[in-house]
Amino acid sequence: SYELTQPPSVSVSPGQTARITCSGDVLPRQYSYWYQQKSGQAPVLVIYKDSERPSGIPERFSGSTSGTTVTLTISGVQAEDEADYYCQSADSSATYWVFGGGTKLTVL
Amino acid sequence: EVQLVESGGGLVQPGGSLRLSCVASGFTFNTYWMHWVRQAPGKGLVWVSRINRDGSTTTYADSVKGRFTISRDNAKNTLYLQMNSLRAEDTAVYYCARERDYSGYDHWGQGTLVTVSS
Repeated sequence: SYELTQPPSVSVSPGQTARITCSGDVLPRQYSYWYQQKSGQAPVLVIYKDSERPSGIPERFSGSTSGTTVTLTISGVQAEDEADYYCQSADSSATYWVFGGGTKLTVL
Repeated sequence: EVQLVESGGGLVQPGGSLRLSCVASGFTFNTYWMHWVRQAPGKGLVWVSRINRDGSTTTYADSVKGRFTISRDNAKNTLYLQMNSLRAEDTAVYYCARERDYSGYDHWGQGTLVTVSS
């Protein structure tokens, strides 16, 4: 098994930029995905294949990758972006999947 | 409209069994890999299991291997998770999710709560 590591929390003021990192040895070899989960709701995919944005996801959400770390960036954070964010990837054979521990984004 | 609707959750004693169902609609079910993901109360998401399009290939997280069985009935557009030898640590909301080829889970169900307690 392998792990993805995220910071437990990130706080930003409205209009600022939030960056949430996810680290794991498999990330240079496998795509990463990001999900937003608001309280009491099912998760929603916000980034796939490291940096692609699904239709309907605001342009302020972006993803990037550098070595063993991937980053979700939310530019011009809005109050509605307050949520838990999870990264996800798979092992080198895409057989076993794993989530990071999640990051709680607080909009001050 | 794509919909995934889970059912079958509830209260079960340790050592007991439950079968979860996930009924899919609004898309061609047999063309997608499907997954189960769980979330213990106040905790993060945990991948549980995955099944390929025709049900011939399945994989499991180590924590459930040998106790849980994922299956699907493409004629009924339904995904299943048979859970045996349940433990307190299996208590969670269980979500089914659709995997778009190498593009993550683009649709999730609303989840069904499983509580394992005496």
